[in-house]
Amino acid sequence: GAGVSQSPSNKVTEKGKDVELRCDPISGHTALYWYRQSLGQGLEFLIYFQGNSAPDKSGLPSDRFSAERTGGSVSTLTIQRTQQEDSAVYLCASSSSSPYQETQYFGPGTRLLVL
Amino acid sequence: SQQGEEDPQALSIQEGENATMNCSYKTSINNLQWYRQNSGRGLVHLILIRSNEREKHSGRLRVTLDTSKKSSSLLITASRAADTASYFCATDQGGSEKLVFGKGMKLTVNP
Repeated sequence: GAGVSQSPSNKVTEKGKDVELRCDPISGHTALYWYRQSLGQGLEFLIYFQGNSAPDKSGLPSDRFSAERTGGSVSTLTIQRTQQEDSAVYLCASSSSSPYQETQYFGPGTRLLVL
Repeated sequence: SQQGEEDPQALSIQEGENATMNCSYKTSINNLQWYRQNSGRGLVHLILIRSNEREKHSGRLRVTLDTSKKSSSLLITASRAADTASYFCATDQGGSEKLVFGKGMKLTVNP
């Protein structure tokens, strides 16, 4: 079946603009995760959804970052008033239940460049 | 400090050789996973080993886990040029709902 998809693949924006990143998880997966990866670095956890609720938002770097999930499916990560340090690859993953029971399946990522 | 740190940071070998990567972590875990990433895009899950397991095999992959030393190793046997990628270990934190990834190890397999 279809894997995790993310859009757009690449996004170039100007400093101060808002951006929306979209993630379509694997159908039926209840858990959804957002990560950020800066060049040559590991993955930085941002937020986790179980269904439509977000039990763990601890990784969001500032109040400019927010995320929502609707219908237990699609999720949108919004970055307001983007800064150059927000430039990174934003990765979404989904799993059928909590992470220590199941593996996570990753999308191809959205590469964000803030000029 | 980082939960899940891979060692070495980079490894370059010839095709056909074995590649061993190590991962150390600091807190108790329920499981440890290894992922591969090509070209800085999405990660692909390779193998999961639970805290009550000591060794697991999948094709050319062999993973060991030593919970007393809080370490794991990933062995890729008979490496191929297509194995060139970055490899990450990831651990839960024994009750947390999130995985914590290391910074990754870049493997280059030369043909």
